[in-house]
Amino acid sequence: ELKVEQNPLFLSMQEGKNYTIYCNYSTTSDRLYWYRQDPGKSLESLFVLLSNGAVKQEGRLMASLDTKARLSTLHITAAVHDLSATYFCAVDPDYNTDKLIFGTGTRLQVFP
Amino acid sequence: NAGVTQTPKFQVLKTGQSMTLQCAQDMNHEYMSWYRQDPGMGLRLIHYSVGAGITDQGEVPNGYNVSRSTTEDFPLRLLSAAPSQTSVYFCASGRGGNTEAFFGQGTRLTVV
Repeated sequence: ELKVEQNPLFLSMQEGKNYTIYCNYSTTSDRLYWYRQDPGKSLESLFVLLSNGAVKQEGRLMASLDTKARLSTLHITAAVHDLSATYFCAVDPDYNTDKLIFGTGTRLQVFP
Repeated sequence: NAGVTQTPKFQVLKTGQSMTLQCAQDMNHEYMSWYRQDPGMGLRLIHYSVGAGITDQGEVPNGYNVSRSTTEDFPLRLLSAAPSQTSVYFCASGRGGNTEAFFGQGTRLTVV
């Protein structure tokens, strides 16, 4: 059974600080997705990582994928309040099905 | 494009009642899926479809039925609602593989 684990589950950080969210998964996959969810809202796609060593950056967020270690990271640089949300990683274990298995999410709170 | 549209947004059911959650997409996506989101558990896959006429079970299929008669629509049926099905339900669609899945706005279901 595929398991996707995120840590930390909750992260409270000060504006301007850096931090990393980790996503570990238990089976071979070279497709990993990061989503953002604001309270009471839907999920918004952030990154699609498709191969070992993939790195993508958008603003203060950077995501990477190490398929050999079965690990993805989401790095936050100089956090701002607008980044407060819940972040999910998801793995597609079967090529071409959109059959996503999600981590439990990391709730990020950025305070002044 | 409306994207992925779910109806209703909110619903209260009594135990034992049946209902159908509607999901429609106008992006001509082959792949559609249903997830439920419960506090502290992330999103869990209920059923998914890789094309019209083709459906399969996800992680938590019990108590739910689906069918996919058209590319656009993927309804989720609860035949006899139970309090354990109280949750937020998300429908998603995508092209699979190298692109992200797009999520609807969710249906908040309460079973009393």
